[in-house]
Formats: sequence, structure tokens, C-alpha cells
Amino acid sequence: GENVEQHPSTLSVQEGDSAVIKCTYSDSASNYFPWYKQELGKRPQLIIDIRSNVGEKKDQRIAVTLNKTAKHFSLHITETQPEDSAVYFCAASYTNAGKSTFGDGTTLTVKP
Amino acid sequence: DTAVSQTPKYLVTQMGNDKSIKCEQNLGHDTMYWYKQDSKKFLKIMFSYNNKELIINETVPNRFSPKSPDKAHLNLHINSLELGDSAVYFCASSQLSLTEETQYFGPGTRLLVL
Repeated sequence: GENVEQHPSTLSVQEGDSAVIKCTYSDSASNYFPWYKQELGKRPQLIIDIRSNVGEKKDQRIAVTLNKTAKHFSLHITETQPEDSAVYFCAASYTNAGKSTFGDGTTLTVKP
Repeated sequence: DTAVSQTPKYLVTQMGNDKSIKCEQNLGHDTMYWYKQDSKKFLKIMFSYNNKELIINETVPNRFSPKSPDKAHLNLHINSLELGDSAVYFCASSQLSLTEETQYFGPGTRLLVL
């Protein structure tokens, strides 16, 4: 089955700096890669996703890149703000599988 | 107007008891899930149902039994609760298609077994 590894497990940055979280996956059949943000005490919510036919996707301060050959994808947050502090999860799945495999999460702390 | 709802929000119970958690979604999705999030925040899938049929059953003890009476509901019954069952349980739903697979999570049920 699919195995997703996520690094780092914790990340602390200064407000205004950039943050990068990386994930690798094992199943070359995976073609959908979402990122979820979970604030303290809240539910995970999708912030951005990418499909295997695209190498990069951007939404304001958030971007995701995908390298299918190397089987890794990354989340980039620029100009970080204290409200970006949360746990971020990457995931991998393939179309209609009915299952996403999640990484172990990265706790991001943005210091003001 | 809540998209995915769960009840109860908190559940405190004694070891050995049986308890149920209910989940409902009003998004018209065809797939529903149960996840367990432990104290280390790891998010692990337990079950996945598509159109009321079980499609994913990870290595979960038989004490956990999901039930989907219809597409909009997925309940979780837990028998003989153990200390290690203490966690946050999230229900989620999605519409499996070629273009849309976002999972929408419920608010979570915080289970504490004493």
C-alpha cells in the first residue's frame, strides 16, 4: 500500500519568512496530492491540492510543487503570518480509490 | 448549514463500556470515512464507505463496527472500550470523481476512556 513520509515534524519560523514542508510517497499510481491545515482544536481543512498532470500550483501565499519522477511534493508558504501556525498534513491517493494516505503532520509555529 | 456534523462532541466513559458516534453529511457526497487522531496528532484512516458499501477497512480491531444506513450517514460503534481508544475521531466525506476528491471533515469527537 501507499506510504507517505512528511518532513519536518516541527518547523518554527519568524513572521514574514518562508516555510517549506516536504512529502514523499511510495505508490507511483497515486495521482492526487492534497494539503490540509488543522488549527488547534479544529478539524483538518483543505488548503491546496495538486494532480499528477501538473507540476506546480499557486494560491496567493501558498504553493505546491510535485515531482512525479522522484515521487515527492512540497508545500511552500511565503510571507508567513502568526495565523499560519497549525499542523499541516500532506496526503496521497489515486482517483476513485476511496482512500487517502496521510503524512504524520508538521507543526508549524510562526513567531511574531 | 453544517456540511459534516458529528455527535457527540465529547465522550467520557469507563473502560469496558460500549459507545457510538454518529456522523451526517449534507453535501450529497457518495463516500464517507472514519479517521482516528491520536495524541501525537497522527491521522489514520479506519474505514471508508462508498454508497453505503464498505470499501476500505484498515487493520482496526473487531470492536469497532461502522454502519452506514444511507449515503448521508456513517456511524461508528465501539464495543468494550479500552484506554488506547482515547483519541479524537473524525468523520469525513468526499465525492469520488476524476476532478473532485477533497475530503470535508467533521468537527471531531473527543473520546476519553478512563
